[in-house]
Amino acid sequence: GAVVSQHPSWVICKSGTSVKIECRSLDFQATTMFWYRQFPKQSLMLMATSNEGSKATYEQGVEKDKFLINHASLTLSTLTVTSAHPEDSSFYICSARPGTGDSHTEAFFGQGTRLTVV
Amino acid sequence: AQKVTQAQTEISVVEKEDVTLDCVYETRDTTYYLFWYKQPPSGELVFLIRRNSFDEQNEISGRYSWNFQKSTSSFNFTITASQVVDSAVYFCALSALYNYGQNFVFGPGTRLSVLP
Repeated sequence: GAVVSQHPSWVICKSGTSVKIECRSLDFQATTMFWYRQFPKQSLMLMATSNEGSKATYEQGVEKDKFLINHASLTLSTLTVTSAHPEDSSFYICSARPGTGDSHTEAFFGQGTRLTVV
Repeated sequence: AQKVTQAQTEISVVEKEDVTLDCVYETRDTTYYLFWYKQPPSGELVFLIRRNSFDEQNEISGRYSWNFQKSTSSFNFTITASQVVDSAVYFCALSALYNYGQNFVFGPGTRLSVLP
């Protein structure tokens, strides 16, 4: 199946610093990518929808100035956690679907990034 | 509103037992897709199956089988002769046209532990 690569797999950073997480679709183009956050033993919660060439769309309650999303190409979206605090520690997962438009193909997920802010 | 319910938070079985994971969904849309994903301890999500709302035929893939019942809005997942490697969190998800964009709505997940 299609591959979505997420980097890094884990990161530890100091409080107040910023962390960038990359999500790449390796063998397909994705106009839209999605960023999720998963707290321990909980389900995936959508944070934002990343649209290539335009601004991301954030879910209610997600601070867009804190979680910066850039989708500069059809194969790369980045999530930057700015001025990270311990409460931002979580598992972040991206997903991408091949193609454009209203496609209901399966989404392919990155392997996730475990962020720990100390 | 779109919603996916997985009533079983955690299930423990002994190896070789059969186990069924329940999934009930809600949607106003007449066209929608249902998915199951597996999340092993390593964290990545592994795609298992997609089913569209017009196809109620049950599917079997090896030890896995899925029962889609539109009348009860359920899409249950059965593992036959479970193995330790099946231990993971399993998510049922819904994708419908009235979702914002093309996003999924995930259920809360069922943590399956298969004991040797």
